[in-house]
Amino acid sequence: DSGVTQTPKHLITATGQRVTLRCSPRSGDLSVYWYQQSLDQGLQFLIQYYNGEERAKGNILERFSAQQFPDLHSELNLSSLELGDSALYFCASGRDEGTSYEQYFGPGTRLTVT
Amino acid sequence: ILNVEQSPQSLHVQEGDSTNFTCSFPSSNFYALHWYRWETAKSPEALFVMTLNGDEKKKGRISATLNTKEGYSYLYIKGSQPEDSATYLCAFSGGSYIPTFGRGTSLIVHP
Repeated sequence: DSGVTQTPKHLITATGQRVTLRCSPRSGDLSVYWYQQSLDQGLQFLIQYYNGEERAKGNILERFSAQQFPDLHSELNLSSLELGDSALYFCASGRDEGTSYEQYFGPGTRLTVT
Repeated sequence: ILNVEQSPQSLHVQEGDSTNFTCSFPSSNFYALHWYRWETAKSPEALFVMTLNGDEKKKGRISATLNTKEGYSYLYIKGSQPEDSATYLCAFSGGSYIPTFGRGTSLIVHP
């Protein structure tokens, strides 16, 4: 158990809908990273938050947004969902804003868009 | 787009064999290199973070080396066991801190 929690574990929704994925980092970690793992791609970095502020942005679609709250949990919002958004979404937490410390991954949320 | 390559793509070994695989990354603007172990139906588990050229890290039978000048890292597993079967991922971070992952090396250890 990494200490990182993600909910829900599975999500099935229809095209055009909006969903929210939630992540709680390990105690003491200030950074949250979001990743997408789809069948034809490796693990892709989406976005990072550090202590409530956006720190780095990867290949995140404009239909996707995220935020980190004062209690450090983070939410990833996916809207106008398309079939191609079906994937496994991981969050990971880290001690600081850089990547010189380990990242601890949550169990992931499997999103299926039908 | 940063290129992080892992080789081989997959590897089958017998129990007790020692094995190694490679992660290649850009040799400029290096910040950190991460290795992860990823078992099927689980999430990636951190093995090592390496930040300095010449770093060597060890955890049990698994060790890793880093050469930032030539842009590669090796992961070694000594005396492979069936429970070592997993995909081993590396992730490179440059100055932007954004992690770029390789596609992984899938290791299967046969009893």
